[in-house]
Amino acid sequence: GIQVEQSPPDLILQEGANSTLRCNFSDSVNNLQWFHQNPWGQLINLFYIPSGTKQNGRLSATTVATERYSLLYISSSQTTDSGVYFCAVEREDYKLSFGAGTTVTVRA
Amino acid sequence: SAVISQKPSRDICQRGTSLTIQCQVDSQVTMMFWYRQQPGQSLTLIATANQGSEATYESGFVIDKFPISRPNLTFSTLTVSNMSPEDSSIYLCSVPTPWGTDTQYFGPGTRLTVL
Repeated sequence: GIQVEQSPPDLILQEGANSTLRCNFSDSVNNLQWFHQNPWGQLINLFYIPSGTKQNGRLSATTVATERYSLLYISSSQTTDSGVYFCAVEREDYKLSFGAGTTVTVRA
Repeated sequence: SAVISQKPSRDICQRGTSLTIQCQVDSQVTMMFWYRQQPGQSLTLIATANQGSEATYESGFVIDKFPISRPNLTFSTLTVSNMSPEDSSIYLCSVPTPWGTDTQYFGPGTRLTVL
């Protein structure tokens, strides 16, 4: 099956810093999504981005489908950005394969 | 976006017992999915809940352990049967949007602890 690798596994940031999270996938995909899991376990949709670049406030994402990777940028990080960030790709019929996640800790 | 609710939000159960988790969506959807997230791990797909037919299970998951019902297009249940401590996880249901962006939305999850 398709492999999804995320890096780095852990990231510690000082408030106000910028960061980049990476997601590599092993095969062509129909869909790629980025999620943020908050400390209460809720998965929050950040981006649906099978290709191209999108921005939403301090967050932006870029997917280069031909090279099988996606990047999530966090700018001017805040403590509320802490949590686990997951990349997930759609295998077939909306079934998602998740990466292992990047745990982000933003310190005040 | 779809509004998804799950019951219970959390539970603590004894080994050998069973727990049924409910997932309710505020609109009719063709497909519903159940995922498991073991402690400190990523999410793994358990099965696709099909309306009007048996659920389709992923490798490593079986109907006897995780029976699923899908009586209509807005509701599904997942039962975790004959539980052991290894079943302690967050269980989440998800649905794709029935239109447009193909974004998937997840319920708030059920946090299960088995003693």
